Amino acid sequence: QQPVQSPQAVILREGEDAVINCSSSKALYSVHWYRQKHGEAPVFLMILLKGGEQKGHDKISASFNEKKQQSSLYLTASQLSYSGTYFCGTLLRRGTSYGKLTFGQGTILTVHP
Amino acid sequence: EAQVTQNPRYLITVTGKKLTVTCSQNMNHEYMSWYRQDPGLGLRQIYYSMNVEVTDKGDVPEGYKVSRKEKRNFPLILESPSPNQTSLYFCASSLSGDRVAEAFFGQGTRLTVV
Repeated sequence: QQPVQSPQAVILREGEDAVINCSSSKALYSVHWYRQKHGEAPVFLMILLKGGEQKGHDKISASFNEKKQQSSLYLTASQLSYSGTYFCGTLLRRGTSYGKLTFGQGTILTVHP
Repeated sequence: EAQVTQNPRYLITVTGKKLTVTCSQNMNHEYMSWYRQDPGLGLRQIYYSMNVEVTDKGDVPEGYKVSRKEKRNFPLILESPSPNQTSLYFCASSLSGDRVAEAFFGQGTRLTVV
């Protein structure tokens, strides 16, 4: 079952912040975040493994709440280059569907000057 | 250069005519997978392979076949394509099916079935 992302789309001006959420109805082992620019392949951003883990990547960071089966991607001081579709991917706890990386429906982020 | 290569990039075919989309990676990755991308539905997994001769169904396997006879290649076969298989297809690979592995995607194959 696909994780659910929200919002479906967000429009920002340069310098503004955004949060993209990803939630699952099943217990998660890890959450993966990717960004896809128009006409290109998805590109890896980060993986979060442990409940409560947070990671940063330039001005993009993410958190993983294992108990709530949720992850959030934080984009601060957005730049034009942040525009694209963001996908979260989830892997279930070990022992179930091993290797089955399931992606959400995507969040379209548009940053205007 | 480390990469995942898909061919062809664009394909228009007719209903019922068997086709194969090839996928090859040069990173010695164990894990490979196929996804289809449709507007509003995100990336949906078709099939995946944990290693040579090991394949398993993803979320939308109907109408597709795969094989993994060599580590580097993972072709996607449509035995009898139908218009509802018109989509953008991505092949991906990662070091292993382990939870910590980053996935590398090919450039995509845009398939139109008329």
